[in-house]
Amino acid sequence: EIVLTQSPATLSLSPGERATLSCRASQSVSSYLAWYQQKPGQAPRLLIYDASNRATGIPARFSGSGSGTDFTLTISSLEPEDFAVYYCQQRSNWPGATFGPGTKVDIK
Amino acid sequence: EVQLVESGGGLVQPGGSLRLSCAASGFTFSSYEMNWVRQAPGKGLEWVSYISSSGSTIYYADSVKGRFTISRDNAKNSLYLQMNSLRAEDTAVYYCARVQLLLWFDPWGQGTLVTVSS
Repeated sequence: EIVLTQSPATLSLSPGERATLSCRASQSVSSYLAWYQQKPGQAPRLLIYDASNRATGIPARFSGSGSGTDFTLTISSLEPEDFAVYYCQQRSNWPGATFGPGTKVDIK
Repeated sequence: EVQLVESGGGLVQPGGSLRLSCAASGFTFSSYEMNWVRQAPGKGLEWVSYISSSGSTIYYADSVKGRFTISRDNAKNSLYLQMNSLRAEDTAVYYCARVQLLLWFDPWGQGTLVTVSS
């Protein structure tokens, strides 16, 4: 089973700051990695797929990079609505998708 | 507008059964693969089950294999999850999610809470 590790667990930042979130896989997942955003009481929303492609309607301040085992989600300038939990997810070894434990981005 | 609406959650005793439903609208349901994903209170996301667009291919997480059954009715634009022999550790919000772009979950329903407790 491929295990995803996310760091940091919590990121405390102010609006307008840059956020850099990390996701590391226990073995290569090629580019089969996605990022989701989840706000309290809401369902997750797809942000980034195939490691670096923005999903429909996702603002350009969100970007993804990486391949193999190391991936990064960057939010270039935090907006108030971006404070949420972010999960990475892989589907390299389908059947079976696994998610990382999440990174909470909260207001400093 | 693409929409997924889950229902059927509630409180059930350990060892009991529950059937979840997911009503789809705004897209051609029969063309899409579907999944169930769950989230225990205050915890992360766990994939539960997958079904192909025709229903001919089905997969389960090891944690639910033999206890849960996924199914769909394309004529009714509906996805189901029959949950038997429920355990306390099955307590979670259950989301249905469409497969998009071949691999990814998008969109998700709003979720339905299943609580297994005596």
